Amino acid sequence: KNEVEQSPQNLTAQEGEFITINCSYSVGISALHWLQQHPGGGIVSLFMLSSGKKKHGRLIATINIQEKHSSLHITASHPRDSAVYICAVKKNYGGSQGNLIFGKGTKLSVKP
Amino acid sequence: EPEVTQTPSHQVTQMGQEVILRCVPISNHLYFYWYRQILGQKVEFLVSFYNNEISEKSEIFDDQFSVERPDGSNFTLKIRSTKLEDSAMYFCASSVRGPGQYFGPGTRLTVT
Repeated sequence: KNEVEQSPQNLTAQEGEFITINCSYSVGISALHWLQQHPGGGIVSLFMLSSGKKKHGRLIATINIQEKHSSLHITASHPRDSAVYICAVKKNYGGSQGNLIFGKGTKLSVKP
Repeated sequence: EPEVTQTPSHQVTQMGQEVILRCVPISNHLYFYWYRQILGQKVEFLVSFYNNEISEKSEIFDDQFSVERPDGSNFTLKIRSTKLEDSAMYFCASSVRGPGQYFGPGTRLTVT
């Protein structure tokens, strides 16, 4: 079983729609990342969360540590938001470093 | 804004050849990582590096792989004898501490 599960796998939306992408994980974590991967392949870090909620522009990320669940929301979606959104977690080793474990990603396509 | 850079952006090599993928992490970062993503699959951790030594590696990172920080700025991944299945996108990342990794744009390696 994957330690990080994302849903949905694929998502098609109309421009302007509110979008939610979900991430569930089964391990203890010290941080969770939301990443964006464009068709060219490059990865951009959107958020790093360890608790609560963060907002940047039209993007909002929330995390519920007790439920081991995080959501990424996009308000007023736009075709340029089309990308693969990846959830990745850093396992809680008790130390200060560790690798990231990645979900399979959610492919978002926003139609004009 | 500081960024992680990687060269080359695309490398084509023949099976059995050695390749070196280069990364320049953000200058004040202390932790360095290599990840790979086979086409259509999720991103996978390869290795982390701190204080001039490997701190963690995955099962993928076998004797064919090595990493080095030859000077104060570069961080390299060497594959000694490439195989077809090494074809993937390779991402370098760096962080001040474990969380909050910044990713490079990736090197697409094609083994023929």
